[in-house]
Amino acid sequence: GENVEQHPSTLSVQEGDSAVIKCTYSDSASNYFPWYKQELGKRPQLIIDIRSNVGEKKDQRIAVTLNKTAKHFSLHITETQPEDSAVYFCAASKFGGGGADGLTFGKGTHLIIQP
Amino acid sequence: GAGVSQSPSNKVTEKGKDVELRCDPISGHTALYWYRQSLGQGLEFLIYFQGNSAPDKSGLPSDRFSAERTGGSVSTLTIQRTQQEDSAVYLCASSPPGQGRETQYFGPGTRLLVL
Repeated sequence: GENVEQHPSTLSVQEGDSAVIKCTYSDSASNYFPWYKQELGKRPQLIIDIRSNVGEKKDQRIAVTLNKTAKHFSLHITETQPEDSAVYFCAASKFGGGGADGLTFGKGTHLIIQP
Repeated sequence: GAGVSQSPSNKVTEKGKDVELRCDPISGHTALYWYRQSLGQGLEFLIYFQGNSAPDKSGLPSDRFSAERTGGSVSTLTIQRTQQEDSAVYLCASSPPGQGRETQYFGPGTRLLVL
């Protein structure tokens, strides 16, 4: 089955600096890679996702890159703000006409934005 | 519109008892997923329902775990003879059909504590 590794487990950056979180996956058939943000005691919220037919996707301060050959994908947050502090999870799954398989998640990265 | 809802929000039970956790997906969503999040861990896929198809039970950790989805909507996750290691947050997610079917929207979770 799929295995997703995520690094680092904790990341502390100064407010205004950039943050990068990296993930690798094992199953070359995976074709969908979402990123979720989870604040303490809250539900995971989708912040951005990318499909395997795209190499990069950007939404304001957040971007995701995907390298299918190397089987890794990364989350980039620029101009970090205090409200970016949370745990971020990467995930991978396969989806097709019939729907999408369950997500395989990384262990999460605790992002701390220092004022 | 209303998001995914789950009940109860918290459940405390004694070891050996059975528990039932409920998930109400977003109206119109055909896919429903159950995950488990243990303290300090990532999210672990349990089971996946897609329309009227047989569920993907590949993530269930033991035969004490089962789930049903009646009428293609509400789902119930049942844990029989609970053990202390079952203590976790149980999260439900749903996805729409067609365009965007890969995107999973999470509920707030049920926090289960087995004493």
